[in-house]
Amino acid sequence: GQSLEQPSEVTAVEGAIVQINCTYQTSGFYGLSWYQQHDGGAPTFLSYNALDGLEETGRFSSFLSRSDSYGYLLLQELQMKDSASYFCAVRRDDYKLSFGAGTTVTVRA
Amino acid sequence: KAGVTQTPRYLIKTRGQQVTLSCSPISGHRSVSWYQQTPGQGLQFLFEYFSETQRNKGNFPGRFSGRQFSNSRSEMNVSTLELGDSALYLCASSHRDAEAFFGQGTRLTVV
Repeated sequence: GQSLEQPSEVTAVEGAIVQINCTYQTSGFYGLSWYQQHDGGAPTFLSYNALDGLEETGRFSSFLSRSDSYGYLLLQELQMKDSASYFCAVRRDDYKLSFGAGTTVTVRA
Repeated sequence: KAGVTQTPRYLIKTRGQQVTLSCSPISGHRSVSWYQQTPGQGLQFLFEYFSETQRNKGNFPGRFSGRQFSNSRSEMNVSTLELGDSALYLCASSHRDAEAFFGQGTRLTVV
């Protein structure tokens, strides 16, 4: 089988930095993705890592260590609009995309 | 270009009934995946179709089934509905493996 672990909740103030960790166990690992979902909305793609290292997209960065089966999403210069659920997702080599339970990020003024 | 379209957006059904949900992927996307989302459970993978063939299947009972048509549109069916089937059902389409595009979902309530 496979599993993904990520924290259930994180709270931070505007302007802060938040790191959401994700550890996974799976066979046939292909890549790790991150998605954002606001209340009542659809999940939207944030980033993807297939190789070890850091990928930066504006205020958001994502990191992957394949040897440690670990990745994280870094949210910088937090804004109120970043309050949402964040999901890590593993893409396997059979194309199956499986999601973690999600991390609820709450940004306080 | 148009995004992923799911119909209907909301549905109320009675226990024991069956339901069919529809998903139209982004034009050119041949992969369509279905997920069930309930509070605290994240997105549970149901199945994935590619070029009319089921390529992957999650751990759901046989009451959950799906299919994909030649134009890549997909349907999922749930028979003999149970109260626990109440959830948001999300469809996602993909062209490249890295990114999945989600529809707004169908909110199913079973009473």
